[in-house]
Amino acid sequence: GENVEQHPSTLSVQEGDSAVIKCTYSDSASNYFPWYKQELGKRPQLIIDIRSNVGEKKDQRIAVTLNKTAKHFSLHITETQPEDSAVYFCAVQGGYALNFGKGTSLLVTP
Amino acid sequence: DTAVSQTPKYLVTQMGNDKSIKCEQNLGHDTMYWYKQDSKKFLKIMFSYNNKELIINETVPNRFSPKSPDKAHLNLHINSLELGDSAVYFCASSQGGSGFGYTFGSGTRLTVV
Repeated sequence: GENVEQHPSTLSVQEGDSAVIKCTYSDSASNYFPWYKQELGKRPQLIIDIRSNVGEKKDQRIAVTLNKTAKHFSLHITETQPEDSAVYFCAVQGGYALNFGKGTSLLVTP
Repeated sequence: DTAVSQTPKYLVTQMGNDKSIKCEQNLGHDTMYWYKQDSKKFLKIMFSYNNKELIINETVPNRFSPKSPDKAHLNLHINSLELGDSAVYFCASSQGGSGFGYTFGSGTRLTVV
């Protein structure tokens, strides 16, 4: 299936700082790029997504940017809060299913 | 009212046993999935059904057999359980097969001893 690389695997920031997570993919035909947040012991939840005809999308403190030429997209979280601590997954539509990155464990320290 | 519900939430069983996990969604979605999340948190697609038809069957041992009696239900039956099957299994659904976000169930933590 689609190869999705996600970096970094762990990220520690201080409360109020910004956090950036990056993903790259291999199939240039991919056209849908969601991000999921998974808190400890919980289900993954969709937090934002972007389609290939858009370069950037924002929702309050989170934003996603997409560079189709370079085949990478990023999640940006501004003014981080302790409740942002979780594992974040990027995903890429590959055929009839989403292929997920390996996740980034984000820790926001007060 | 839970959108995607899975049962059971926890399952502890011995090697060699057969077990089933059930999933139901009340969102009216057409497509349902099974994902396996291993101890390193990697989410890997196992199966996908669209309107009761199997459309994805990844490289999964044939001890795993999905069944979709209708588009609101997707069950997973596992025969001859092995230690390596221990993981969290997530059911998910989406409005269509491509280009739509998933709603995940709460997961089933399977432990094989």
